[in-house]
Amino acid sequence: SQQGEEDPQALSIQEGENATMNCSYKTSINNLQWYRQNSGRGLVHLILIRSNEREKHSGRLRVTLDTSKKSSSLLITASRAADTASYFCATNSGYSTLTFGKGTMLLVSP
Amino acid sequence: GAVVSQHPSWVICKSGTSVKIECRSLDFQATTMFWYRQFPKQSLMLMATSNEGSKATYEQGVEKDKFLINHASLTLSTLTVTSAHPEDSSFYICSAVSPAGDNQPQHFGDGTRLSIL
Repeated sequence: SQQGEEDPQALSIQEGENATMNCSYKTSINNLQWYRQNSGRGLVHLILIRSNEREKHSGRLRVTLDTSKKSSSLLITASRAADTASYFCATNSGYSTLTFGKGTMLLVSP
Repeated sequence: GAVVSQHPSWVICKSGTSVKIECRSLDFQATTMFWYRQFPKQSLMLMATSNEGSKATYEQGVEKDKFLINHASLTLSTLTVTSAHPEDSSFYICSAVSPAGDNQPQHFGDGTRLSIL
């Protein structure tokens, strides 16, 4: 069953704007990961944040984790048309297995 | 680094045919590989976990006789869809993880689009 629930399901913005996606989960985790999927392709790992971390940055990406609320957010700053993709959060509760959320489809218009 | 190659990328075949999909880790050894199925505009559903040298662990509702998984080496896992039917048409994706503990990302192949006529 899907543990992660992203919102919004779809997000449409203009280039240069920031995009924020949220993820909620239900059980305790070792880490939470964010992935990007371009249409018809495999997933690309973006960021892994451990359960004892609260914030992590990678380039234009910022991920926060609130284990008390069982939620995470992914912020993409200064978005580009090339950021258009589906974004998934995935939780790891041990043994390397991931449980994926339903994803957010991001459309960045030039 | 951490490249996973998946072949073929697209298969179209007749009903009743068996189809084999390969997943290779090109620059690292993967003791564990995962097979997922994805329907259009939906998330990934884990089908099975493949461990090198042992039997795969299938998720509830996945027929192990229908979806045969072999992980004979540290760099190769195969998924064979036996006697495929139109309802097996889907996007199949594999991933691999290096044996460095739980806090490691999965590295994904580019997926195989299977269309059964």
